[in-house]
Amino acid sequence: DAKTTQPTSMDCAEGRAANLPCNHSTISGNEYVYWYRQIHSQGPQYIIHGLKNNETNEMASLIITEDRKSSTLILPHATLRDTAVYYCIVRVPDGGATNKLIFGTGTLLAVQP
Amino acid sequence: EPEVTQTPSHQVTQMGQEVILRCVPISNHLYFYWYRQILGQKVEFLVSFYNNEISEKSEIFDDQFSVERPDGSNFTLKIRSTKLEDSAMYFCASSEVTNQPQHFGDGTRLSIL
Repeated sequence: DAKTTQPTSMDCAEGRAANLPCNHSTISGNEYVYWYRQIHSQGPQYIIHGLKNNETNEMASLIITEDRKSSTLILPHATLRDTAVYYCIVRVPDGGATNKLIFGTGTLLAVQP
Repeated sequence: EPEVTQTPSHQVTQMGQEVILRCVPISNHLYFYWYRQILGQKVEFLVSFYNNEISEKSEIFDDQFSVERPDGSNFTLKIRSTKLEDSAMYFCASSEVTNQPQHFGDGTRLSIL
């Protein structure tokens, strides 16, 4: 699985959009980008995933650059409950040899009142 | 929304004792996983399980660890003789098929004394 690079931490004002970047410059053609988050003392929570098209669901939007070397997770109206560590993970969804998720250190998003 | 449930939420055990951590995956899911997170560290993959057998395991998952699906609903992780370094949060996850996201429980905090 390709490696990802994320900022260690970010701040965001409550009610504003939170834009979390992820660099995955070595991503291969069949690898998807997945985003999870981990609120303190809870298990990782799936947010969204995509291959090359932009994706949106009830939680967030995922913007993937045309060359697929980076992506941005957008929380359109951040609330205090969105304070969490956000993980960007790339993997082949039908993993073949492996289905495991490899977690990095993620980005600690602190939503400020 | 269906969710993965784990029991107990906190387990305290003497070193050398056996411990069993229990998980009830989402009912129509076929793939099951255990991860762990030592305090302050990354979430680490332990093992994946499909069709009543282990499909992949990490270096952490040595002979002291075992998994079982004893009935149609439970998925368990057993540590045969616990060590101090086994103290961690243990997360169970499940997915419908390999190309669908994994959904996590809120974990069991295992404390070895």
